[in-house]
Amino acid sequence: NAGVTQTPKFQVLKTGQSMTLQCAQDMNHEYMSWYRQDPGMGLRLIHYSVGAGITDQGEVPNGYNVSRSTTEDFPLRLLSAAPSQTSVYFCASSIDRNTEAFFGQGTRLTVV
Amino acid sequence: AQSVTQPDIHITVSEGASLELRCNYSYGATPYLFWYVQSPGQGLQLLLKYFSGDTLVQGIKGFEAEFKRSQSSFNLRKPSVHWSDAAGYFCAGGIQGAQKLVFGQGTRLTINP
Repeated sequence: NAGVTQTPKFQVLKTGQSMTLQCAQDMNHEYMSWYRQDPGMGLRLIHYSVGAGITDQGEVPNGYNVSRSTTEDFPLRLLSAAPSQTSVYFCASSIDRNTEAFFGQGTRLTVV
Repeated sequence: AQSVTQPDIHITVSEGASLELRCNYSYGATPYLFWYVQSPGQGLQLLLKYFSGDTLVQGIKGFEAEFKRSQSSFNLRKPSVHWSDAAGYFCAGGIQGAQKLVFGQGTRLTINP
């Protein structure tokens, strides 16, 4: 079992560029989520999905879009990258929103 | 508001010493509680979880945690730490009907040889 797979592991973007962070899980979990991790801030929820076709905003959604066309995939799109989006991004999946989450290895994003 | 607090940002202990990492929660009802470990450059791995029942929970890598309702705490313990335990530790809580898990800010553990 691969669990939760994120790509890429590292990315450098210029301000204003767009990109998509990929996330895939093979555990048939309904609930998937995206977090960003900044020093001293812990994990902050960006967007989440309770199933295919259903997404909602978390604590810090501005500047990010998501979609969930399949149970397996939950990509995160940065529309116009800003230096404030420099962070480590984690995708997670779980059976439902309040049970144990399984995390990917993370994507370290730098916006210059 | 629902919250999870880890009062210690950074803790240093000597190899072989005992460890206790603090976690306090604020929920209207008994939450589900989790401890995760994050090694440098890695994702978060679940150490243990509490849903109900026995208040002392055993986890992987020799860790345990005790749920204390009277103190609203779920502290993580290990009797003797190893250098490989140096990592970030995150406490998280959830409750039926809530939007999401709530994570504490994390405690960074350093091990002195």
